Amino acid sequence: GAGVSQTPSNKVTEKGKYVELRCDPISGHTALYWYRQSLGQGPEFLIYFQGTGAADDSGLPNDRFFAVRPEGSVSTLKIQRTERGDSAVYLCASSPSPYRGNEQFFGPGTRLTVL
Amino acid sequence: GNSVTQMEGPVTLSEEAFLTINCTYTATGYPSLFWYVQYPGEGLQLLLKATKADDKGSNKGFEATYRKETTSFHLEKGSVQVSDSAVYFCALSPSNAGNMLTFGGGTRLMVKP
Repeated sequence: GAGVSQTPSNKVTEKGKYVELRCDPISGHTALYWYRQSLGQGPEFLIYFQGTGAADDSGLPNDRFFAVRPEGSVSTLKIQRTERGDSAVYLCASSPSPYRGNEQFFGPGTRLTVL
Repeated sequence: GNSVTQMEGPVTLSEEAFLTINCTYTATGYPSLFWYVQYPGEGLQLLLKATKADDKGSNKGFEATYRKETTSFHLEKGSVQVSDSAVYFCALSPSNAGNMLTFGGGTRLMVKP
């Protein structure tokens, strides 16, 4: 079956621009997570959705970052007024449910480069 | 808050050598513990997990035991292969709702023939 997909795979933008990153989770998975991975580091949690609602957005670094999941499936991470420090690989993961210990299935990531 | 510390790499071993990658954690309550692996050119995938104290997770010859007394979850394999070359991430998810992962910094393993 299809895994988690993310588009685009690479995004290059200029400082100050707006970007959208898309995640298609595994069908039927109710929990969806966004992480950010800087070079040489482990992924850092950004936001988690249970269904359509953002259940925990405590990892979003500031109000330039926003994410939606309007129909409980596809999610979009939106970054306004991008900064060079936003350059990283953005990972999406989905899980059948948010219960403790459940495996998260990761997508290949979107590499964002802000010039 | 929650945190995970794992040994820095790279770790370079010869084929058939014994592998240990240390991982310790800080968390309240009883977190679940995971090892994820990232092979070259591929995405993160779950290697093994343990959800309560003294549980042992195992997969593909790798093992890790949840040690609450030492807050550790060290990864071991008795005989590594070249195909095990990858980056390994230790992670935890909290005992309360949400299952969000906190990752360590990753350890790159290189196995030489």
